[in-house]
Amino acid sequence: DGGITQSPKYLFRKEGQNVTLSCEQNLNHDAMYWYRQDPGQGLRLIYYSQIVNDFQKGDIAEGYSVSREKKESFPLTVTSAQKNPTAFYLCASSTQRSGTGDQPQHFGDGTRLSIL
Amino acid sequence: GQSLEQPSEVTAVEGAIVQINCTYQTSGFYGLSWYQQHDGGAPTFLSYNALDGLEETGRFSSFLSRSDSYGYLLLQELQMKDSASYFCAVKYNFNKFYFGSGTKLNVKP
Repeated sequence: DGGITQSPKYLFRKEGQNVTLSCEQNLNHDAMYWYRQDPGQGLRLIYYSQIVNDFQKGDIAEGYSVSREKKESFPLTVTSAQKNPTAFYLCASSTQRSGTGDQPQHFGDGTRLSIL
Repeated sequence: GQSLEQPSEVTAVEGAIVQINCTYQTSGFYGLSWYQQHDGGAPTFLSYNALDGLEETGRFSSFLSRSDSYGYLLLQELQMKDSASYFCAVKYNFNKFYFGSGTKLNVKP
């Protein structure tokens, strides 16, 4: 079955440490996204990528980095510069159809990151 | 920038109809989506409106008025399993999405 796989489900970070969250999709989607969700809040866009080897900053990119070397993979690194990383991180993908088309985002099950 | 407003919480009884409103301000608007998220889970797609009017999918319907920058999600024949958070999200600048803060729906027996 096609879908999006995020790993790990839970992750703990020590002070000053970089951690990488994995996101893999086999839906053949061109566009991929990373969101952060804090308790009781909506989703905020961190980074997105519309095509391999290209990505754009979202609304809260500071302290994060991404890469898009393969269509299927869009890993997110939470760097030590992100001072408040504790949150629920969601990866999503969608087709790259033009503007008004129905392009639902498919989400992975998320990764919960906490500070030790 | 983008902004979205939706009520923070709504309560309704099983079998009733509930409407969750969403007003938005955005540039480069393409469409309005609705997502459902149960506690601890991932959001799941419910509907997408790019043009004015009503879209119906089973018990759920979604409406958009581009001239009023307004949309709503209508849930009919409420069931206990509909208790969840519901997010509206605008699609803008071709392929970016901005989410509202969500509406927590409590369905009571």
